[in-house]
Amino acid sequence: QKEVEQNSGPLSVPEGAIASLNCTYSDRGSQSFFWYRQYSGKSPELIMSIYSNGDKEDGRFTAQLNKASQYVSLLIRDSQPSDSATYLCALYTGTASKLTFGTGTRLQVTL
Amino acid sequence: GAVVSQHPSRVICKSGTSVKIECRSLDFQATTMFWYRQFPKQSLMLMATSNEGSKATYEQGVEKDKFLINHASLTLSTLTVTSAHPEDSSFYICSASSHFEGYNEQFFGPGTRLTVL
Repeated sequence: QKEVEQNSGPLSVPEGAIASLNCTYSDRGSQSFFWYRQYSGKSPELIMSIYSNGDKEDGRFTAQLNKASQYVSLLIRDSQPSDSATYLCALYTGTASKLTFGTGTRLQVTL
Repeated sequence: GAVVSQHPSRVICKSGTSVKIECRSLDFQATTMFWYRQFPKQSLMLMATSNEGSKATYEQGVEKDKFLINHASLTLSTLTVTSAHPEDSSFYICSASSHFEGYNEQFFGPGTRLTVL
């Protein structure tokens, strides 16, 4: 089992809809979770971090964490074409100081 | 969020030459810096982790004599690709980590696209 799993997509949603991106992880001890957005040819950009169970909202983005079920998700409300990118789920595993990344989900927001 | 810069953004060099890439944290002191490589349409691959003043820790399969990392200060790390060959052509990205509100967060530089002819 991979440490961090994401559906590679592409996930296609119409403009204005809610995009739901999911990530599961294997290390129950993980405490810190991150969502990065990466546009083609660019480096990743941190858009959300979440550390406690529940929801965390920032503008159109909501991160959801469920440690018991070992998943973290990212909701994008009112999706825009500019949201089209690859979204990377990342977390710290064990006592490692380095992030473990999922392979990313490619999101396409269509007009 | 915190700002990390990289220089140069793009470099083209001849096979056999060495290339140095700089990574700077501009508005915070980075406890740890990381170097990644990404080939087209592939995932990020961590190459090494470096802490200021100590030797870098390289990931399995990454040649430490080929990819020299120096972390001279809390705001600067450099990656030197020695005797570069066409197969080293890739997108090299650094990131810097620091404590924010009690947690470690990692911020990426804009990346350096290396092309070896």
